[in-house]
Amino acid sequence: QVQLQESGPGLVKPSQTLSLTCTVSGGSISSGSYYWSWIRQPAGKGLEWIGRIYTSGSTNYNPSLKSRVTISVDTSRNQFSLKLTSVTAADTAVYYCSREGGIAAALDIWGQGTMVTVSS
Amino acid sequence: DIQMTQSPSSVSASVGDRVTITCRASHGISSWLAWYQQKPGKAPKLLIYAASSLQSGVPSRFSGTGSGTDFTLTISSLQPEDFATYYCQQGNSLPRTFGGGTKVEIK
Repeated sequence: QVQLQESGPGLVKPSQTLSLTCTVSGGSISSGSYYWSWIRQPAGKGLEWIGRIYTSGSTNYNPSLKSRVTISVDTSRNQFSLKLTSVTAADTAVYYCSREGGIAAALDIWGQGTMVTVSS
Repeated sequence: DIQMTQSPSSVSASVGDRVTITCRASHGISSWLAWYQQKPGKAPKLLIYAASSLQSGVPSRFSGTGSGTDFTLTISSLQPEDFATYYCQQGNSLPRTFGGGTKVEIK
Protein backbone atom coordinates (compact mmCIF):
# COMPACT_ATOMS: atom_id res chain seq x y z
CA GLN A 1 0.00 0.00 0.00
CA VAL A 2 1.00 3.62 -0.39
CA GLN A 3 3.44 4.93 2.21
CA LEU A 4 4.88 8.40 2.76
CA GLN A 5 8.27 9.32 4.20
CA GLU A 6 9.50 12.81 5.05
CA SER A 7 13.16 13.75 4.80
CA GLY A 8 15.23 16.87 5.31
CA PRO A 9 17.37 18.77 7.80
CA GLY A 10 16.30 18.61 11.41
CA LEU A 11 17.88 21.95 12.25
CA VAL A 12 17.47 25.22 10.37
CA LYS A 13 18.87 28.62 11.32
CA PRO A 14 16.56 31.59 11.79
CA SER A 15 15.86 33.58 8.60
CA GLN A 16 16.91 30.63 6.43
CA THR A 17 14.75 28.32 4.32
CA LEU A 18 13.26 25.07 5.59
CA SER A 19 13.22 22.39 2.88
CA LEU A 20 11.53 19.01 3.23
CA THR A 21 10.76 16.23 0.79
CA CYS A 22 8.09 13.57 0.97
CA THR A 23 8.74 10.34 -0.92
CA VAL A 24 5.75 8.29 -1.99
CA SER A 25 6.24 4.53 -2.17
CA GLY A 26 3.92 1.66 -3.02
CA GLY A 27 2.14 3.61 -5.72
CA SER A 28 2.49 6.40 -8.24
CA ILE A 29 2.05 9.96 -7.06
CA SER A 30 0.33 10.63 -10.38
CA SER A 31 -2.35 7.96 -10.12
CA GLY A 32 -5.78 8.75 -8.78
CA SER A 33 -7.31 12.09 -7.87
CA TYR A 34 -5.27 12.99 -4.84
CA TYR A 35 -3.88 16.11 -3.28
CA TRP A 36 -0.52 15.84 -1.57
CA SER A 37 -0.41 17.88 1.60
CA TRP A 38 1.82 19.26 4.33
CA ILE A 39 0.68 19.66 7.94
CA ARG A 40 2.71 20.72 10.97
CA GLN A 41 2.39 20.38 14.72
CA PRO A 42 4.40 22.36 17.29
CA ALA A 43 5.31 20.39 20.38
CA GLY A 44 2.30 19.89 22.63
CA LYS A 45 -0.01 21.77 20.27
CA GLY A 46 -2.56 21.07 17.58
CA LEU A 47 -2.36 20.48 13.85
CA GLU A 48 -1.92 23.24 11.28
CA TRP A 49 -2.55 22.71 7.57
CA ILE A 50 0.22 24.27 5.48
CA GLY A 51 -0.92 23.54 1.95
CA ARG A 52 -1.31 20.99 -0.80
CA ILE A 53 -0.46 20.23 -4.41
CA TYR A 54 -2.21 18.28 -7.12
CA THR A 55 -0.13 16.26 -9.54
CA SER A 56 -0.94 18.80 -12.24
CA GLY A 57 1.07 21.26 -10.16
CA SER A 58 -1.91 23.24 -8.91
CA THR A 59 -1.34 24.44 -5.33
CA ASN A 60 -3.30 25.78 -2.39
CA TYR A 61 -1.69 27.39 0.65
CA ASN A 62 -2.77 28.46 4.09
CA PRO A 63 -3.12 32.26 3.91
CA SER A 64 -1.28 32.53 7.23
CA LEU A 65 1.85 31.12 5.55
CA LYS A 66 1.22 31.82 1.89
CA SER A 67 3.89 34.49 1.47
CA ARG A 68 6.60 32.08 2.68
CA VAL A 69 5.49 28.68 1.37
CA THR A 70 6.14 26.83 -1.86
CA ILE A 71 5.02 23.26 -2.49
CA SER A 72 6.26 21.48 -5.60
CA VAL A 73 6.01 18.01 -7.10
CA ASP A 74 8.49 15.82 -8.96
CA THR A 75 6.49 13.03 -10.55
CA SER A 76 9.60 11.38 -12.00
CA ARG A 77 10.94 10.84 -8.49
CA ASN A 78 7.51 10.22 -6.93
CA GLN A 79 8.15 13.06 -4.49
CA PHE A 80 6.68 16.34 -3.41
CA SER A 81 8.45 19.05 -1.46
CA LEU A 82 7.93 21.92 0.95
CA LYS A 83 9.94 25.12 1.16
CA LEU A 84 9.31 27.62 3.93
CA THR A 85 11.36 30.80 3.80
CA SER A 86 12.43 33.26 6.50
CA VAL A 87 11.88 30.81 9.32
CA THR A 88 11.70 31.76 12.99
CA ALA A 89 11.44 29.78 16.21
CA ALA A 90 7.66 29.76 15.69
CA ASP A 91 8.20 27.40 12.75
CA THR A 92 9.70 24.74 15.02
CA ALA A 93 7.40 21.75 14.73
CA VAL A 94 6.92 18.21 13.55
CA TYR A 95 6.15 18.37 9.84
CA TYR A 96 3.94 15.71 8.28
CA CYS A 97 3.24 14.94 4.67
CA SER A 98 -0.13 13.41 3.89
CA ARG A 99 -2.47 12.37 1.12
CA GLU A 100 -5.88 13.97 0.80
CA GLY A 101 -8.14 11.41 -0.80
CA GLY A 102 -11.29 12.01 -2.75
CA ILE A 103 -13.32 10.69 0.18
CA ALA A 104 -14.68 13.86 1.70
CA ALA A 105 -11.30 15.56 1.69
CA ALA A 106 -9.93 13.39 4.47
CA LEU A 107 -6.21 12.88 5.02
CA ASP A 108 -6.09 9.14 4.71
CA ILE A 109 -2.36 8.44 4.61
CA TRP A 110 0.33 10.17 6.67
CA GLY A 111 4.08 10.06 6.88
CA GLN A 112 5.67 9.40 10.25
CA GLY A 113 6.62 13.06 10.61
CA THR A 114 9.95 14.82 10.90
CA MET A 115 10.98 17.21 13.64
CA VAL A 116 12.39 20.53 12.47
CA THR A 117 13.97 22.90 14.96
CA VAL A 118 14.71 26.51 14.11
CA SER A 119 17.67 27.66 16.14
CA SER A 120 21.03 29.32 15.67
CA ASP B 1 -11.30 30.40 7.69
CA ILE B 2 -13.72 27.95 9.25
CA GLN B 3 -13.02 27.58 12.97
CA MET B 4 -13.39 24.12 14.46
CA THR B 5 -14.12 23.94 18.20
CA GLN B 6 -13.82 20.68 20.07
CA SER B 7 -15.12 19.87 23.51
CA PRO B 8 -14.12 18.81 26.00
CA SER B 9 -10.40 19.50 25.68
CA SER B 10 -9.77 16.46 27.86
CA VAL B 11 -11.79 13.65 29.35
CA SER B 12 -10.95 11.04 31.95
CA ALA B 13 -12.59 7.70 31.42
CA SER B 14 -12.28 4.05 32.33
CA VAL B 15 -11.98 0.98 30.13
CA GLY B 16 -15.48 0.04 29.00
CA ASP B 17 -16.87 3.57 29.27
CA ARG B 18 -18.77 5.29 26.51
CA VAL B 19 -17.00 8.47 25.43
CA THR B 20 -18.46 11.25 23.30
CA ILE B 21 -16.47 14.13 21.80
CA THR B 22 -18.09 17.05 20.05
CA CYS B 23 -16.86 19.30 17.27
CA ARG B 24 -18.55 22.50 16.15
CA ALA B 25 -17.81 24.37 12.93
CA SER B 26 -18.11 28.14 12.72
CA HIS B 27 -19.92 27.78 9.40
CA GLY B 28 -21.87 24.93 7.88
CA ILE B 29 -19.67 22.26 6.34
CA SER B 30 -22.32 19.74 5.25
CA SER B 31 -20.75 16.34 5.98
CA TRP B 32 -17.17 17.31 5.13
CA LEU B 33 -15.80 16.28 8.50
CA ALA B 34 -13.09 13.82 9.45
CA TRP B 35 -11.89 12.48 12.80
CA TYR B 36 -8.34 11.43 13.60
CA GLN B 37 -6.67 9.63 16.49
CA GLN B 38 -3.13 10.56 17.49
CA LYS B 39 -0.94 8.74 19.98
CA PRO B 40 2.21 10.32 21.46
CA GLY B 41 5.07 10.48 18.98
CA LYS B 42 2.92 9.15 16.16
CA ALA B 43 1.19 10.62 13.13
CA PRO B 44 -2.56 11.11 13.20
CA LYS B 45 -4.64 8.20 11.97
CA LEU B 46 -7.88 8.63 10.05
CA LEU B 47 -10.85 7.11 11.89
CA ILE B 48 -13.97 8.62 10.32
CA TYR B 49 -14.55 10.50 7.06
CA ALA B 50 -17.62 12.17 5.63
CA ALA B 51 -18.82 12.65 9.22
CA SER B 52 -20.01 9.07 9.70
CA SER B 53 -18.09 6.68 7.42
CA LEU B 54 -15.69 4.34 9.16
CA GLN B 55 -12.23 4.14 7.61
CA SER B 56 -11.20 0.62 6.61
CA GLY B 57 -9.66 -1.31 9.50
CA VAL B 58 -11.02 0.95 12.23
CA PRO B 59 -12.95 -0.89 14.97
CA SER B 60 -16.71 -0.56 14.91
CA ARG B 61 -16.76 0.86 18.45
CA PHE B 62 -15.89 4.17 16.80
CA SER B 63 -18.78 6.06 15.23
CA GLY B 64 -19.45 9.56 13.98
CA THR B 65 -22.61 11.57 13.51
CA GLY B 66 -23.65 15.05 12.49
CA SER B 67 -23.92 17.46 9.60
CA GLY B 68 -23.91 21.20 9.12
CA THR B 69 -22.12 22.64 12.13
CA ASP B 70 -22.38 20.04 14.90
CA PHE B 71 -20.63 16.68 14.96
CA THR B 72 -19.85 13.94 17.45
CA LEU B 73 -17.36 11.12 17.72
CA THR B 74 -18.41 8.29 20.01
CA ILE B 75 -16.34 5.43 21.35
CA SER B 76 -18.93 2.91 22.53
CA SER B 77 -16.71 0.90 24.88
CA LEU B 78 -13.31 2.42 25.57
CA GLN B 79 -10.37 0.05 25.15
CA PRO B 80 -6.83 0.48 26.54
CA GLU B 81 -5.49 1.27 23.06
CA ASP B 82 -7.99 4.13 22.65
CA PHE B 83 -6.27 6.44 25.11
CA ALA B 84 -5.03 9.15 22.76
CA THR B 85 -5.82 12.61 21.44
CA TYR B 86 -8.61 13.03 18.91
CA TYR B 87 -8.92 15.77 16.31
CA CYS B 88 -11.70 16.81 13.97
CA GLN B 89 -10.95 18.44 10.59
CA GLN B 90 -13.16 20.15 8.07
CA GLY B 91 -12.81 19.44 4.38
CA ASN B 92 -15.47 21.83 3.13
CA SER B 93 -13.24 24.77 2.28
CA LEU B 94 -9.68 26.03 2.20
CA PRO B 95 -7.65 26.33 4.28
CA ARG B 96 -8.33 23.00 5.88
CA THR B 97 -8.66 23.49 9.64
CA PHE B 98 -8.52 21.23 12.65
CA GLY B 99 -10.13 21.31 16.05
CA GLY B 100 -7.90 21.88 19.05
CA GLY B 101 -7.98 18.25 20.08
CA THR B 102 -9.51 16.16 22.87
CA LYS B 103 -7.23 14.12 25.06
CA VAL B 104 -8.79 10.91 26.36
CA GLU B 105 -7.03 9.96 29.57
CA ILE B 106 -7.20 7.01 31.90
CA LYS B 107 -9.37 7.59 34.96
